[in-house]
Amino acid sequence: AQSVAQPEDQVNVAEGNPLTVKCTYSVSGNPYLFWYVQYPNRGLQFLLKYITGDNLVKGSYGFEAEFNKSQTSFHLKKPSALVSDSALYFCAVRDSMNTGFQKLVFGTGTRLLVSP
Amino acid sequence: DAGITQSPRYKITETGRQVTLMCHQTWSHSYMFWYRQDLGHGLRLIYYSAAADITDKGEVPDGYVVSRSKTENFPLTLESATRSQTSVYFCASSESPTTSGRKGDTQYFGPGTRLTVL
Repeated sequence: AQSVAQPEDQVNVAEGNPLTVKCTYSVSGNPYLFWYVQYPNRGLQFLLKYITGDNLVKGSYGFEAEFNKSQTSFHLKKPSALVSDSALYFCAVRDSMNTGFQKLVFGTGTRLLVSP
Repeated sequence: DAGITQSPRYKITETGRQVTLMCHQTWSHSYMFWYRQDLGHGLRLIYYSAAADITDKGEVPDGYVVSRSKTENFPLTLESATRSQTSVYFCASSESPTTSGRKGDTQYFGPGTRLTVL
């Protein structure tokens, strides 16, 4: 069965500095990987996904993520953090071998706090 | 473009009562999902549906019932609410996985319903 780990409950970064939110995964086959962001009292918003192809995926709001198969990781990055990036971030994985229903497995989330 | 909506946004109920959470999407997505979000657990899938009249259990289905008579609606019913069902509930939808460009792999979420069971 697939699983996702987000090892950090919270990440603190100063505005203007680069940020990284970590995610590692486990699947039987090839992974489909996703990042979602949740702002307070809102639903999850899709940021980006890796299905196949280029290991560096670019998404919304200047975020990007790098797929690393050997390390089974899909870390979320941004070169320069904004205070408005402060939110809860979820990594999710789906096994490409699961061609039936699209069961996504979510991590427990990482809270990002960007200080002015 | 309304997208995906949920109602009510907030609900307080008592143990043993029946509660129905509504979900409506305007994209004609074939797939719909119900998740619950709890601290320390992230999001867990309760039920999902591939099309009207086709539903299946997710990770934590006990105590919940779903139906899908129309493509755009996917209500979730707690037949006899318990305190352990206090949570934030999210509905999501997506296109079919057979959609070209793998659009069906991306799920889009509603704003959530915060349910408190006293």
